[in-house]
Amino acid sequence: DAGVIQSPRHEVTEMGQEVTLRCKPISGHNSLFWYRQTMMRGLELLIYFNNNVPIDDSGMPEDRFSAKMPNASFSTLKIQPSEPRDSAVYFCASTTRGGGDSRSGANVLTFGAGSRLTVL
Amino acid sequence: GEDVEQSLFLSVREGDSSVINCTYTDSSSTYLYWYKQEPGAGLQLLTYIFSNMDMKQDQRLTVLLNKKDKHLSLRIADTQTGDSAIYFCADLGGSYIPTFGRGTSLIVHP
Repeated sequence: DAGVIQSPRHEVTEMGQEVTLRCKPISGHNSLFWYRQTMMRGLELLIYFNNNVPIDDSGMPEDRFSAKMPNASFSTLKIQPSEPRDSAVYFCASTTRGGGDSRSGANVLTFGAGSRLTVL
Repeated sequence: GEDVEQSLFLSVREGDSSVINCTYTDSSSTYLYWYKQEPGAGLQLLTYIFSNMDMKQDQRLTVLLNKKDKHLSLRIADTQTGDSAIYFCADLGGSYIPTFGRGTSLIVHP
């Protein structure tokens, strides 16, 4: 498996523009997480999905942020309109919860390489 | 909410042992993890320990868990420059969502 695939790896945009980040989880994983990493706040959980359904979005900072998971192999995180304070590295991670894998009970997350967003 | 704390920086000399410490607050934690993040990359699982264990060893890595004090440590023996990275402690509590610490930047100098 190619692992968790995120795109784009780098995005530079201007304030007010819409940003869409994409994630392809590992095939067979049924839980997907979006995190944001900054120097100031560390790693923050934004939202997570279980079986494509959003379970907890309490970490989404504002209404400008939205996330979708239309199917088991794709998720998006959208910021509209973007602001300079949204500049961060955004990570997607997936795992199998309740599956037959011996590690699934341990809820081990596999992370993507991240999308570095810079909003000017 | 539940919290995971770890120091932000650790500097060691190449060849020495590194010990990265972590404390957590969730008394219902079932698993505790160490992830490693290299520059420009995502987090990768290094090792994890089930809460009914107090030690786990994997080559140069030794994880110690003191459940009473809610303290987890990661010891890296014979630290190499390639071990320079950010190390994240995380725990899995009743919510089944891992809670991550802020990460400890390990700097290995010659």
